[in-house]
Amino acid sequence: NAGVTQTPKFRVLKTGQSMTLLCAQDMNHEYMYWYRQDPGMGLRLIHYSVGEGTTAKGEVPDGYNVSRLKKQNFLLGLESAAPSQTSVYFCASSYSLRGDQPQHFGDGTRLSIL
Amino acid sequence: GEDVEQSLFLSVREGDSSVINCTYTDSSSTYLYWYKQEPGAGLQLLTYIFSNMDMKQDQRLTVLLNKKDKHLSLRIADTQTGDSAIYFCAERPSGGYQKVTFGTGTKLQVIP
Repeated sequence: NAGVTQTPKFRVLKTGQSMTLLCAQDMNHEYMYWYRQDPGMGLRLIHYSVGEGTTAKGEVPDGYNVSRLKKQNFLLGLESAAPSQTSVYFCASSYSLRGDQPQHFGDGTRLSIL
Repeated sequence: GEDVEQSLFLSVREGDSSVINCTYTDSSSTYLYWYKQEPGAGLQLLTYIFSNMDMKQDQRLTVLLNKKDKHLSLRIADTQTGDSAIYFCAERPSGGYQKVTFGTGTKLQVIP
């Protein structure tokens, strides 16, 4: 059982380039999330989705766009990458909003913007 | 808004107990989680507790909650080198969709 799979695992971009990070889950989870992890700051929510075709802004949405065209996939896009977006990006999913059904995380995408 | 605080670093000897502490600021009705992150990996849920509980034990892990002080701790008995990782405390208020707030993580170093 793969769980939550993120691709790519590593990427180096130049300032101004664009790219899309892919998250796929095989647990039939309704809810999906994108976080970024920076040193000394824990995880911060970028965008989330409460179901296929829906997205919503999180804590730090600026500079990112997302899409949830299929229930199992949640895409995070950077249209014009900036050095401040150098980070580790984590995707997560959960079956429901209930607190006793916590989020499951992928292994992360390490992104460097030069 | 919500805030979750943890110390940044803890070092223990193999075989000793580790205690990782966390304080939170949100409401009386909340879920509190402990996640483990090994190098190069994502966050793995270890255990969680609801705020109407005082304690939860799961094999070598014991979670203690002091609701009055909003203080949460994770005790790892007989700490092993494989327990070396970053441990994140997180909270999520109950009811509807609520944002999960993560602490900054505590790096646990186990000395052989």
